[in-house]
Amino acid sequence: AQSVTQLDSHVSVSEGTPVLLRCNYSSSYSPSLFWYVQHPNKGLQLLLKYTSAATLVKGINGFEAEFKKSETSFHLTKPSAHMSDAAEYFCVVSDLGTGGFKTIFGAGTRLFVKA
Amino acid sequence: ETGVTQTPRHLVMGMTNKKSLKCEQHLGHNAMYWYKQSAKKPLELMFVYNFKEQTENNSVPSRFSPECPNSSHLFLHLHTLQPEDSALYLCASSQDLDNSYNEQFFGPGTRLTVL
Repeated sequence: AQSVTQLDSHVSVSEGTPVLLRCNYSSSYSPSLFWYVQHPNKGLQLLLKYTSAATLVKGINGFEAEFKKSETSFHLTKPSAHMSDAAEYFCVVSDLGTGGFKTIFGAGTRLFVKA
Repeated sequence: ETGVTQTPRHLVMGMTNKKSLKCEQHLGHNAMYWYKQSAKKPLELMFVYNFKEQTENNSVPSRFSPECPNSSHLFLHLHTLQPEDSALYLCASSQDLDNSYNEQFFGPGTRLTVL
């Protein structure tokens, strides 16, 4: 069965410092993994996705994530936070489950960026 | 803009009202989704349609009634709602449900308040 755990409900960083949002998953098969961002009162926007090609995936706005199968992790990073990065971030796993492909969303991590 | 539009963006209704939420996608996708996003709760998948056929109903109360007349349009009909139904309702679409790497494209959501 698939599941996804975002290890932090809130992360607070200072502008210009690195960002690390942690995500662990479980999957019976070869999953696809995604990170989405949601700004206040907006829909979710895809940041990046892993689909069994390169394990280091680069996304929009300077974000990247590394798929580590041995650790079942897909952590999201950015070298230098910007005020506009303040938002909620969702880690998502998509995999073959009973009855077809299923997509599971994590509970979300809210990122705060301090000036 | 993501190519997925939702109307209205905001809706206030009484518990005895009947209203409908509309979602339209201009991406040529075949799968469409309704999600409920409440404060401090994970994103909840409500319904999934693939090629106009409902493939998933996650034990949603019957006061929510979906309709998918074609692959581009999705409605959520609301009647006799409860205050706890107040939430952001998000619509999404994806190419189809045939593989794990199709990301979902989200609309901006409808903010629903039930008085």
